[in-house]
Amino acid sequence: RKEVEQDPGPFNVPEGATVAFNCTYSNSASQSFFWYRQDCRKEPKLLMSVYSSGNEDGRFTAQLNRASQYISLLIRDSKLSDSATYLCVVTVNSGNTPLVFGKGTRLSVIA
Amino acid sequence: DAMVIQNPRYQVTQFGKPVTLSCSQTLNHNVMYWYQQKSSQAPKLLFHYYDKDFNNEADTPDNFQSRRPNTSFCFLDIRSPGLGDAAMYLCATSRDLTYRNYNEQFFGPGTRLTVL
Repeated sequence: RKEVEQDPGPFNVPEGATVAFNCTYSNSASQSFFWYRQDCRKEPKLLMSVYSSGNEDGRFTAQLNRASQYISLLIRDSKLSDSATYLCVVTVNSGNTPLVFGKGTRLSVIA
Repeated sequence: DAMVIQNPRYQVTQFGKPVTLSCSQTLNHNVMYWYQQKSSQAPKLLFHYYDKDFNNEADTPDNFQSRRPNTSFCFLDIRSPGLGDAAMYLCATSRDLTYRNYNEQFFGPGTRLTVL
């Protein structure tokens, strides 16, 4: 089983739609979780951290389910500018353990 | 603005000709990383430095080396580039490795390497 798995998509949704991505991770000791956004031919940029209690930032909501070992990202009222690849990132906070990236889920928001 | 800078943004080299990519940061972060990213794939960690402590990933080829002469700069040396090394090379930094929120990574714009 891969360390971090995501549905690669693409998810093609109309403007204004709500879309959700899931990401599963294999290491039950994982403690830090992030969603990064990567535009075509650009670098990844932090979208939001994912906390145990869940967190919301405007139209974006992230949730963590430790029991099932997955995190989710919900985007409400999709905009054309939300079109990008969304990378799920997980780390175990011990020793020299950098972040582990998923392959990303590609989202296309269509007018 | 504090940032992660990579030079050059585009690099063309010949098969087997050594090439060096550079990264600098003004964030004063302890950790610097080098990733390789190929089309439609996740960034693949090559190695990272925690301060001066070098950590190589087990599957990073010997062809890839790195130097960190000071806190601000880190270099990626590809000793004998092959066609399969053509990719985007991303440098990233984080304040720390393990403390929550301190391990958020900030990426530079990347260097796109072409091997002829």
